[in-house]
Amino acid sequence: SAVISQKPSRDICQRGTSLTIQCQVDSQVTMMFWYRQQPGQSLTLIATANQGSEATYESGFVIDKFPISRPNLTFSTLTVSNMSPEDSSIYLCSVTGSNTEAFFGQGTRLTVV
Amino acid sequence: AQSVAQPEDQVNVAEGNPLTVKCTYSVSGNPYLFWYVQYPNRGLQFLLKYITGDNLVKGSYGFEAEFNKSQTSFHLKKPSALVSDSALYFCAVRLDNSGGYQKVTFGIGTKLQVIP
Repeated sequence: SAVISQKPSRDICQRGTSLTIQCQVDSQVTMMFWYRQQPGQSLTLIATANQGSEATYESGFVIDKFPISRPNLTFSTLTVSNMSPEDSSIYLCSVTGSNTEAFFGQGTRLTVV
Repeated sequence: AQSVAQPEDQVNVAEGNPLTVKCTYSVSGNPYLFWYVQYPNRGLQFLLKYITGDNLVKGSYGFEAEFNKSQTSFHLKKPSALVSDSALYFCAVRLDNSGGYQKVTFGIGTKLQVIP
């Protein structure tokens, strides 16, 4: 299994500002994933982050809004830029273990006011 | 395209009674199926998975799930519910891994409420 530390666990931000979420894994992984979980909804994949290359974004998500860094095999950041109240959500970092199941950080609960 | 349906927003069950949380899936190929649980203010925790082999798989905390290919279902079950089982449960599907990484699709989640 993988242990994932994600921070901050929660934040309240002003609209128009940006928040960077950090994700640290206790082992080296090729792919890291960022999800959004809006209230009462399922997990939606934002992007896949590979070390040494640009992140791959899902339909409806763009790099200007959600820039991602992946400087090494154990760390990634997701920035939520120019925030609006519609960005209020839980953001989750995830990796896939060697046995195919996914492991998740505890999530970042973002409230934009 | 692949999809997961969890037809019940909420399931209520009395403590000690058996519980079932339903999941059906659609995928063009052999599925990998998963159940995850999310407690309040926590990330998702892996419960169990079906990859191949026996249709009945057992997982954490006494949970089990049965893969039914003809009905494309993967319902989560537990013989005797505990109040501490109250949480949000997600079913997920992906294609098999023979071709490398495949995207995981999650259901909308089912809130399980176990009543003392």
